[in-house]
Amino acid sequence: QVQLQESGPGLVKPSETLSLTCDVSGYSISSGYFWGWIRQPPGKGLEWIGSIFRSGTSYFNPSLKSRVTMSIDKYANHFSLRLSSTTAADTAVYYCARDAGGYNYGQFDSWGQGILVTVSS
Amino acid sequence: QSALTQPASVSGSPGQSITISCTGTSSDVGTYNLVSWYQLHPGKAPKLMIFEVTKRPSGVSTRFSGSKSGNTASLTISGLQAEDEADYYCCSYVDTSTLVFGGGTKLTVL
Repeated sequence: QVQLQESGPGLVKPSETLSLTCDVSGYSISSGYFWGWIRQPPGKGLEWIGSIFRSGTSYFNPSLKSRVTMSIDKYANHFSLRLSSTTAADTAVYYCARDAGGYNYGQFDSWGQGILVTVSS
Repeated sequence: QSALTQPASVSGSPGQSITISCTGTSSDVGTYNLVSWYQLHPGKAPKLMIFEVTKRPSGVSTRFSGSKSGNTASLTISGLQAEDEADYYCCSYVDTSTLVFGGGTKLTVL
């Protein structure tokens, strides 16, 4: 059974870069699927950040595209998110998830538990 | 891209049926049968309830069903149970190869 686990700093200073990693176990990233990041600000709804394939092909939310970088490490079996120029509006619970839809179809069948990242000085 | 439109809240009594709507545009819901629904309980990870408009993942109760008409997708929960009380989000593929979520609906079981 696939399991995902987010890790990274829980506190980021404004204007700095938020960096998170999602470790995957029970499934090899090299085998396929898109892998995504989704966030939920306190008291607000879910927001798709972006998704990446084993080849490095990636798609991003247009509203975040200029600040987002995603990478994938098939050997370490994890993928990562970097969000630059952060503000308080980036404070959220960040989830990583597997898209089982065969493409970037939003069929996230496995999720990490989420990590709260607070942007504050 | 704008978030898909969902009602902020719906409610129903145990045993009743409720429907949550999710309205998009011809660039997403109206064109693609790639709408998913997620259930969120406080403090827990989202759970996939419906994918590709009508399909249920293994282990999801048959009380949950999905449908679509035009630019609007719907999630119906029949035989409401207390454990169904949660937030529900729809998600659709968009023609720009991106994804968009709905604003979320809080379901209260009276």
